[in-house]
Amino acid sequence: QVQLQESGPGLVKPSETLSLTCSVSGGSISGYYWTWIRQPAGKGLEWIGRVHSSGTTSYNPSPSLGGRVTMSVDMSNNQFSLSLTSVTAADTAVYYCARAISMRGGQDFWGQGTLVTVSS
Amino acid sequence: QSALTQPASVSGSPGQSITISCTGTRGDVGTYYYVSWYQQHPGKAPKLIIYDVTNRPSGVSHRFSGSKSGNTASLTISGLQAEDDADYYCSSYTSSSTRVFGGGTKLTVL
Repeated sequence: QVQLQESGPGLVKPSETLSLTCSVSGGSISGYYWTWIRQPAGKGLEWIGRVHSSGTTSYNPSPSLGGRVTMSVDMSNNQFSLSLTSVTAADTAVYYCARAISMRGGQDFWGQGTLVTVSS
Repeated sequence: QSALTQPASVSGSPGQSITISCTGTRGDVGTYYYVSWYQQHPGKAPKLIIYDVTNRPSGVSHRFSGSKSGNTASLTISGLQAEDDADYYCSSYTSSSTRVFGGGTKLTVL
């Protein structure tokens, strides 16, 4: 059974960079697409982007994320990561990492989520 | 990319069937058979219940089924049970090689 666990600071200051890591256990990161999804309190899910184990990425072009996203993989540690620059209060949310069934498919295994608050 | 359109809420009594719609465009739901549905209970991570329009992951109840017609996908839950009371989200692959979610539907089991 594949398990995912998000880790990173729970509090980030405005204008700084949010950095999260997702550790994958019970299976290899190799050959799969890995995604980040976020959910502000009381609101819906937002797909942030995906990264393949080869390093290929695709990001949400929406104005709310506006070119601030970078994702990468660390094969040696079976992890992948998210970096979101120039954060504002609007980036406060629960951030989930998840495995994609395929490049075009949905997410079958999810982490428990981690709350990131943007505040000074 | 705009979010897919779902009703904000639906309700039903135990034993009944309900259907949740998910309307997109030709750029997502209308073209691709990569629609997924997720169930989310409060404070929990979403759980995949339908993928690729009609497929159920192993372990998901046969009471959940999916379909698609034109730009609209649908999730049907038959034989409603108290444990089905949750939020439901649809998601689709898009022509931009990204994915988009619906706004979510709150299902209340009366």
